[in-house]
Amino acid sequence: QLHLQESGPGLVKPSESLSLTCTVSGTSITSSDFYWGWIRQPPGKGLEWIAYIFYTGKTYTNPSLKTRVATSVDTSKNHFSLRLSSVTAAETAVYFCARQSHSYDAFDIWGQGTVVTVSS
Amino acid sequence: SYELTQPPSVSVSPGQTASIPCSGDKLGDKNVSWYLQRPGQSPFLIIYQDSKRPSGIPERFSGSNSGHTATLTISATQPVDEADYYCQAWDRNTVVFGGGTSLTVL
Repeated sequence: QLHLQESGPGLVKPSESLSLTCTVSGTSITSSDFYWGWIRQPPGKGLEWIAYIFYTGKTYTNPSLKTRVATSVDTSKNHFSLRLSSVTAAETAVYFCARQSHSYDAFDIWGQGTVVTVSS
Repeated sequence: SYELTQPPSVSVSPGQTASIPCSGDKLGDKNVSWYLQRPGQSPFLIIYQDSKRPSGIPERFSGSNSGHTATLTISATQPVDEADYYCQAWDRNTVVFGGGTSLTVL
């Protein structure tokens, strides 16, 4: 069964970097049918797209975050990762990873999300 | 940057039809998806490419998109449909979400 699972520190200090990994099970991350994305949701607020990445490493990033976002794919571990630098308290949020299907032109499978708190 | 606008809240009586609009410049020229999110849960896809339903999504969920507005319609609304709904579109390889609409069934 297809499953996406986010992992990473739940607490990050302001001005430091947030690093998360999404482990994919039940399908290969190297499929040409999918991109792999990151979306976040601050408490009580809406969804904000961060980035999506193809297994080759090709990445598209939210322009408002572009200078602080780095993404990567590890095909040997079937996972992809996000690094967001210089975080602020306003970036406290639930961070989701999701599969973006070319067939659907949408995010068709989502992880359960992981809470990241930015606080000293 | 491209923006999608949704009303913050919509109310509907059980058994009635709920309509949730999503507006954006020339939105009808883009593919729109809709997601449902219940409290404490991840969003999940209910409509893609304006009006198509993934496997397992009830027929009472439908979508349309024309001009500057996409609309999610929920027929015969049930209490279980009370949730947040988000529209999403693409703008030159970037992803845009609407601000979300909280549907109340009362």
